[in-house]
Amino acid sequence: GENVEQHPSTLSVQEGDSAVIKCTYSDSASNYFPWYKQELGKGPQLIIDIRSNVGEKKDQRIAVTLNKTAKHFSLHITETQPEDSAVYFCAANGLENKLVFGAGTILRVKS
Amino acid sequence: ETGVTQTPRHLVMGMTNKKSLKCEQHLGHNAMYWYKQSAKKPLELMFVYNFKEQTENNSVPSRFSPECPNSSHLFLHLHTLQPEDSALYLCASSQDGASSYEQYFGPGTRLTVT
Repeated sequence: GENVEQHPSTLSVQEGDSAVIKCTYSDSASNYFPWYKQELGKGPQLIIDIRSNVGEKKDQRIAVTLNKTAKHFSLHITETQPEDSAVYFCAANGLENKLVFGAGTILRVKS
Repeated sequence: ETGVTQTPRHLVMGMTNKKSLKCEQHLGHNAMYWYKQSAKKPLELMFVYNFKEQTENNSVPSRFSPECPNSSHLFLHLHTLQPEDSALYLCASSQDGASSYEQYFGPGTRLTVT
C-alpha cells in the first residue's frame, strides 16, 4: 500500500523567511496530494492540494510542487508570518482513494 | 469553521465506562470518516462510511463501534477502552468516498482513558 514520509519533523524559521516541507510517496498510482494545516486545539484544515496533471500550484504565499518521476512533492511558504506556526501534514491517495498521511511537521515562525 | 462539528470536545473515561462520540456535518457530503491522532504518529484511518454503508474497517479493535444513521451523522461508541486508546479522535467528511478526495475535518474529541 501507499507509504508517505515527511521531512523535517520540526522546522524553525525567522519571520519573513521561506519554509519548505517535503514528502515522498511510494505508490506511483497516487494522483492527489493535499496539504493540511493543524493549529492547536483544531482539526486539520485543507490549505492547498495538487493533482498529478500539474507540476505546481500556487495560492498567495503558499505553493506546492510535484515531481511524479521522483515521487515527491513539497509545500513552500514564502514571507512566513507568526500565524503560519502550526503542524503541517501532507497526504497522498492510496488504495481505494483513501488518504495516507505523513507524520507531520511542526513549523515555528519566530518574530 | 469547516462545517463539521464534534461533541464532546474533551472526554475523560475509565476503562469500564461506555461513552459515545458524535460527529455532524453540514456540508451535504455523503462520506464520513473516523481517524485517530496520537502524538508523533500519522493520522490513522479507522472507519469509512459512504452513503451510510461502512466501506472500511482498518483493523480496529471491537471496543470501538461506529454507527452512521444517516449521511450527516456519525457516532463512535466506546467501551472497555485501554489507556493506549487515549488520543484525539477526528471526524471528517467528503463529497463521496470513491471519487472525491477533499476531506474536511472537525475539531476532534480529546479522549483520555484512565
